[in-house]
Amino acid sequence: DAGVIQSPRHEVTEMGQEVTLRCKLISGHNSLFWYRQTMMRGLELLIYFNNNVPIDDSGMPEDRFSAKMPNASFSTLKIQPSEPRDSAVYFCASSNPGQALPSSYNEQFFGPGTRLTVL
Amino acid sequence: SQQGEEDPQALSIQEGENATMNCSYKTSINNLQWYRQNSGRGLVHLILIRSNEREKHSGRLRVTLDTSKKSSSLLITASRAADTASYFCATVFTGTASKLTFGTGTRLQVTL
Repeated sequence: DAGVIQSPRHEVTEMGQEVTLRCKLISGHNSLFWYRQTMMRGLELLIYFNNNVPIDDSGMPEDRFSAKMPNASFSTLKIQPSEPRDSAVYFCASSNPGQALPSSYNEQFFGPGTRLTVL
Repeated sequence: SQQGEEDPQALSIQEGENATMNCSYKTSINNLQWYRQNSGRGLVHLILIRSNEREKHSGRLRVTLDTSKKSSSLLITASRAADTASYFCATVFTGTASKLTFGTGTRLQVTL
């Protein structure tokens, strides 16, 4: 298995532009998590889905951020318009039911991250 | 904040020595997990300990959990240079729709 796949790995854009980050879950996993990591704030959960349904989006900074799961294996995180303070590394992670329900109780498998720089 | 806090923030040891990192949290948990992050990479799950467990082992890793003190420790024995990384504890609090909350991390440096 290739693991969680994220694209692009690096993104440099100018303030005001739309940014779309992509994530492909591990096959068979049914929970998807988007995190943001910065030096100042550490690792923050933005939103997570169970079975394609958003469960908790309380970490989404503001309306400029939106996330979707158009199918069971793929998710996008969109920032529109982007601002310099959005610069961070964005990770997605997935988990599967395993021995415990809900599956978000289980270990999470992280992608390599997307390093976003907004100028 | 429910975020866990790790102690120390940074730790530098020599290869072969043991490394101990501590994590404290504030409310009751379902489980606690430890992750490692190498520079520029995603996090990798190391070990999960449930609230009814007190100790778990995995290779050179030993994790303890004291729910009365709301704390956990990660011990890495016979450390290697390849153990150099940041280590995070993450908790699943009860009654919070089961999401992981990560601590601030301990940066471990293992020198030859």
